[in-house]
Amino acid sequence: QSALTQPASVSGSPGQSITISCTGTSSDVGSYNLVSWFQHHPGKAPKLMIYEGSKRPSGISNRFSGSKSGNTASLTISGLQAEDEADYYCCSYAGSSTFVFGGGTKLTVL
Amino acid sequence: EVQLVESGGGLVQPGGSLRLSCVASGFTFSSYTMSWVRQAPGKGPEWVSTISGSGGNIYYADSVKGRFTISRDNSKNTLYLQMNSLRAEDTAVYYCAKCPLAATVFDYWGQGTLVTVSS
Repeated sequence: QSALTQPASVSGSPGQSITISCTGTSSDVGSYNLVSWFQHHPGKAPKLMIYEGSKRPSGISNRFSGSKSGNTASLTISGLQAEDEADYYCCSYAGSSTFVFGGGTKLTVL
Repeated sequence: EVQLVESGGGLVQPGGSLRLSCVASGFTFSSYTMSWVRQAPGKGPEWVSTISGSGGNIYYADSVKGRFTISRDNSKNTLYLQMNSLRAEDTAVYYCAKCPLAATVFDYWGQGTLVTVSS
């Protein structure tokens, strides 16, 4: 399986909204509503932010939202805060208990 | 609180072996599917292997099939990854990750352990 495609970097000012895209294929993102998004601060454990495309785990701010259209999933962060600055990765279930990840997007809060 | 603590990483020569461990706490370990995910320097994560709660169902990425073996000891709340015939491209931070009952996502991760394969 090939990795999912994400932009290498995005940036935004505090209070603004940003969207990170994650493009896969009809074998992964397009076939399953099972895309998840992780926030990763270097040196710490990755943190689940969105699962099953648009669901938030308990304790995750509603500033984080997810969506999907065709083979592309998206993560939107509204009301950007300094602590949102991190690397973000998407992940899709790809069938037969396998998974594929994106290459990651570095979010900079200006 | 769910905690996953990996250990066992280090420097190993190409062709060598290493065994990683992940000690879990804060949940009923035997009830949950567990996985290993790795991240090479400067790259995105890569799923490596998954094992069901009982250990009866095991899955591997093609890149490690035949070289890596995932296992678990539910009496010790510990997940393992035996890595043999290591290659330079196996150099990565290896994360232990818990899956929820649906096993279609990784809901908790450890902080990882670094494996470096180099002569």
